[in-house]
Amino acid sequence: DIQMTQSPSSLSASVGDRVTITCRASQTINIYLNWYQQKVGKAPNLLIYAASSLQSEVPSRFSGSGSGTDFTLTISSLQPEDFATYYCQQSYSTPLTFGGGTKVEIK
Amino acid sequence: EVQVVESGGGLVQPGGSLRLSCAASGFTFSSHWMHWVRQAPGKGLVWVSRVNTDGRRTTYADSVEGRFTISRDNAKNTLFLQMNSLRAEDTAVYYCAREALLSRSIDLWGQGTLVTVSS
Repeated sequence: DIQMTQSPSSLSASVGDRVTITCRASQTINIYLNWYQQKVGKAPNLLIYAASSLQSEVPSRFSGSGSGTDFTLTISSLQPEDFATYYCQQSYSTPLTFGGGTKVEIK
Repeated sequence: EVQVVESGGGLVQPGGSLRLSCAASGFTFSSHWMHWVRQAPGKGLVWVSRVNTDGRRTTYADSVEGRFTISRDNAKNTLFLQMNSLRAEDTAVYYCAREALLSRSIDLWGQGTLVTVSS
């Protein structure tokens, strides 16, 4: 199975901050990497697919980069509605696997 | 409205069975691979199972292989998860999820249904 390691597991940031979350795969996954946002009590929501493609209706302050084993999710200017948990997920092979999550909290 | 809605969750004793359903609407259900993903209380997301468009190809996480069965009825736009020999560690919110047509991402999630395995 491909292991996905996210860092950090949590972070505190202020509105307007630039936030970066990293995700590392235990083997190469090309660009089969997706990012999701999950708010408390809600279902996950797709933000980025194929490492860097912005899902429809997702604000442009979200961006993704990387290929192979190392990936990054960046929020260019954190907004109040962005406080949530973020997960990376590889779709290169089954079993599909998720990172452990990064909880973004208010500073 | 494009949506998937799960039902069938509840409290079940260890060793028992439960069948989850997921009703899809607003899109061509038969064109999409479908998944079940679960989330234990306070924990992260864990993929459970996947089925292809015609229901003939299924894949499972090792932790549920042999106990869970995914299936679909394209005529009724419905996805199922039959769960047998349930264990306490199967306690979770179970999400029905749609795989995107042009990428392998999951682009539509249901609200989830809670399964609690306890005596």
